[in-house]
Amino acid sequence: RKEVEQDPGPFNVPEGATVAFNCTYSNSASQSFFWYRQDCRKEPKLLMSVYSSGNEDGRFTAQLNRASQYISLLIRDSKLSDSATYLCVVRGGNNRKLIWGLGTSLAVNP
Amino acid sequence: EPEVTQTPSHQVTQMGQEVILRCVPISNHLYFYWYRQILGQKVEFLVSFYNNEISEKSEIFDDQFSVERPDGSNFTLKIRSTKLEDSAMYFCASSESGRNEQFFGPGTRLTVL
Repeated sequence: RKEVEQDPGPFNVPEGATVAFNCTYSNSASQSFFWYRQDCRKEPKLLMSVYSSGNEDGRFTAQLNRASQYISLLIRDSKLSDSATYLCVVRGGNNRKLIWGLGTSLAVNP
Repeated sequence: EPEVTQTPSHQVTQMGQEVILRCVPISNHLYFYWYRQILGQKVEFLVSFYNNEISEKSEIFDDQFSVERPDGSNFTLKIRSTKLEDSAMYFCASSESGRNEQFFGPGTRLTVL
């Protein structure tokens, strides 16, 4: 099983749609979870941290399910500017290094 | 808003040459990292650095690689003898603590010919 696994997509959705991404991780000792966004040939940018209780930031909602070892990201009312690759990132128990998924590609169409 | 900066944005070198990639982390951050991303592949951790020493490194970070914080602001990655497969985007990142979010610089695209 890969350390962090994501469906690469691409997801093609119309503007205004709701889209959800899932990510699974293999190390049950993982402590911290993040969603990053990466535009083509640019650096990853932190979208949001993922907390056990779930968290919301505007149109974005992240959930963590420790029992099943998966993380989700929900984007509501998607905008053209949401088109990017969404990277699921996990940090292990005592490690500071981040382990990255391959990313899920999202294209929001007019 | 403070940000991580990296120079150069693009470096082209011949196989076997040494390259130094430079980064200026966010000023109050204490932890520094290098990652690389080969085109079309996932981001890969190389090394983390804290208190003037390496705190963790991956299997990619072999004897050809070294890191240094030569002064109070710069953080460098040196590749001693570049190989074709070193061609990638190299990202520097920094964080306030080992558990906080990491913020990335714009990257240096290294092309080894």
